[in-house]
Amino acid sequence: GAVVSQHPSRVICKSGTSVKIECRSLDFQATTMFWYRQFPKQSLMLMATSNEGSKATYEQGVEKDKFLINHASLTLSTLTVTSAHPEDSSFYICSARHLAGEMNEQFFGPGTRLTVL
Amino acid sequence: GQNIDQPTEMTATEGAIVQINCTYQTSGFNGLFWYQQHAGEAPTFLSYNVLDGLEEKGRFSSFLSRSKGYSYLLLKELQMKDSASYLCAVLDSNYQLIWGAGTKLIIKP
Repeated sequence: GAVVSQHPSRVICKSGTSVKIECRSLDFQATTMFWYRQFPKQSLMLMATSNEGSKATYEQGVEKDKFLINHASLTLSTLTVTSAHPEDSSFYICSARHLAGEMNEQFFGPGTRLTVL
Repeated sequence: GQNIDQPTEMTATEGAIVQINCTYQTSGFNGLFWYQQHAGEAPTFLSYNVLDGLEEKGRFSSFLSRSKGYSYLLLKELQMKDSASYLCAVLDSNYQLIWGAGTKLIIKP
């Protein structure tokens, strides 16, 4: 099956620093990658949709200057949380949609647990 | 607006059967997904329905009625490892996934 990796799996940082999270589709090409955030005991919240070679589309209420997304290739997207604050602490999950997928299924990465002190 | 409803929490006994319902109201429909999510982990794909009817896959089955905006996930022969949250998600007309809040399933011995 399709595999999506995320790195790092866990990160702890000081308030005011920036954190970069990588999302890679390992064995397929992804036309679109999605970035989600999930707070404890809540459902997934879509932050942005990223298409290779174009600007990401952010959901309402998500600051594009704070959450920088770069989708440089069909297998890599990065999310940078700039000037992180404790309220940014969350579980960040990426997913990728297969270029030739028939079901429009999204394959999820394992997630990144961000803790901002 | 777009809305997906599923129960917040359900409890069942090991070895039994449980049905998790999902109703939806979305702008367009391009399929319905069920995902399983264990605590602290990312969701994993369980099933996809785009036509009416029942799709069976081992101990798990998923049913869809598009006219009623309704789906259910049926889990048979429950095992302790099935304790997880089950997320219903609908692909709308823009091919965006609309997520339900998830149903936390607790399995008791």
